[in-house]
Amino acid sequence: GENVEQHPSTLSVQEGDSAVIKCTYSDSASNYFPWYKQELGKRPQLIIDIRSNVGEKKDQRIAVTLNKTAKHFSLHITETQPEDSAVYFCAASDYGGATNKLIFGTGTLLAVQP
Amino acid sequence: DTEVTQTPKHLVMGMTNKKSLKCEQHMGHRAMYWYKQKAKKPPELMFVYSYEKLSINESVPSRFSPECPNSSLLNLHLHALQPEDSALYLCASSQDEGSARTFNEQFFGPGTRLTVL
Repeated sequence: GENVEQHPSTLSVQEGDSAVIKCTYSDSASNYFPWYKQELGKRPQLIIDIRSNVGEKKDQRIAVTLNKTAKHFSLHITETQPEDSAVYFCAASDYGGATNKLIFGTGTLLAVQP
Repeated sequence: DTEVTQTPKHLVMGMTNKKSLKCEQHMGHRAMYWYKQKAKKPPELMFVYSYEKLSINESVPSRFSPECPNSSLLNLHLHALQPEDSALYLCASSQDEGSARTFNEQFFGPGTRLTVL
């Protein structure tokens, strides 16, 4: 079955710096890759997603890149702010395929120091 | 209404109790999910309902019993739980179960924090 690895497990940056979180997946059939942000005690919320037919997607300060050949995808946050502090989960899915469910990475605790 | 709601927010129960968790959405979504999340861990899928029928059961112990009374409601009935079942239980919904053409976003509820004594 699908396995998603996520690194680093913790990341501390200064306000205004960039943050990068990386994920690798094992199932070449995976075709959908969302990123969720979960603040302490709150629900996971989708912040950006990418499909397998796209290499990069941006939304203001957030971008995601996908390398299908290497089976890895990354989240890039620029000009970080204290409110970006949270746990970030990547996920992968082969929607329409054999398993058709989200498999989450292990999470990255991002701390943005003011 | 663009939210998934869950009740109760917190639940403390003994190992012999029977309780139920409730989830509701009014976005017209036809797929609903139960996840279990332990502290500092990612959500783990438990069940998926698609068009009110159980689509996926991730080999969950029978002490957890899901129910989908209609397209807007999802329940999780709990009986004879163990202390290790203490966790945050998250409900989610999406337009449908997803396909290679739709990739539907899953919207999560706030969760029920369950403690089993």
